Amino acid sequence: DAKTTQPTSMDCAEGRAANLPCNHSTISGNEYVYWYRQIHSQGPQYIIHGLKNNETNEMASLIITEDRKSSTLILPHATLRDTAVYYCIVRVVEGNTGKLIFGQGTTLQVKP
Amino acid sequence: DSGVTQTPKHLITATGQRVTLRCSPRSGDLSVYWYQQSLDQGLQFLIQYYNGEERAKGNILERFSAQQFPDLHSELNLSSLELGDSALYFCASSVISSSYNEQFFGPGTRLTVL
Repeated sequence: DAKTTQPTSMDCAEGRAANLPCNHSTISGNEYVYWYRQIHSQGPQYIIHGLKNNETNEMASLIITEDRKSSTLILPHATLRDTAVYYCIVRVVEGNTGKLIFGQGTTLQVKP
Repeated sequence: DSGVTQTPKHLITATGQRVTLRCSPRSGDLSVYWYQQSLDQGLQFLIQYYNGEERAKGNILERFSAQQFPDLHSELNLSSLELGDSALYFCASSVISSSYNEQFFGPGTRLTVL
């Protein structure tokens, strides 16, 4: 699985959009970008994933650059409950057992 | 609530002891994963089972073992415990053994070794 680079920490004002970047310059054509988050020692929670098209669900949007070397997770209207560690994971889907390899992630602090 | 249950929530024991952590996956999920989260190592994949059989192994120590039973619940056994084994242990489940499916994590078991 390709290596990812994320900022260690970020702040965001409550009600504003939180944009979390992830660099994955060595990503292969068959690797997907996944995002999970962990709220204060709770079990990680799946957010969204994508291959090359932008994706949106009820939690967030995922923007992947055209060369797929980086992506941005967008929380459109951040709330205090979005304060968490956000993990960007790049992994092959086909033929993979499904295990997740977590990096250090980005600690997002949403401030009132 | 993810639908994955883990017991116990907290466990305090002494060095050299043996403990068993239990996980019940979401209804219908065949795959179970175990992860360890310590302060210095972060979240690390330990082992995966799919429908009763071991499917993938990560950084799991020889002192640790796991199994998945016919009713699909799983147990992680930790023996000859050391201070460094103190950590949060998470179980996750997914429908099948594939990267495509999202994993649902339980609330974790906090193990403290004194």
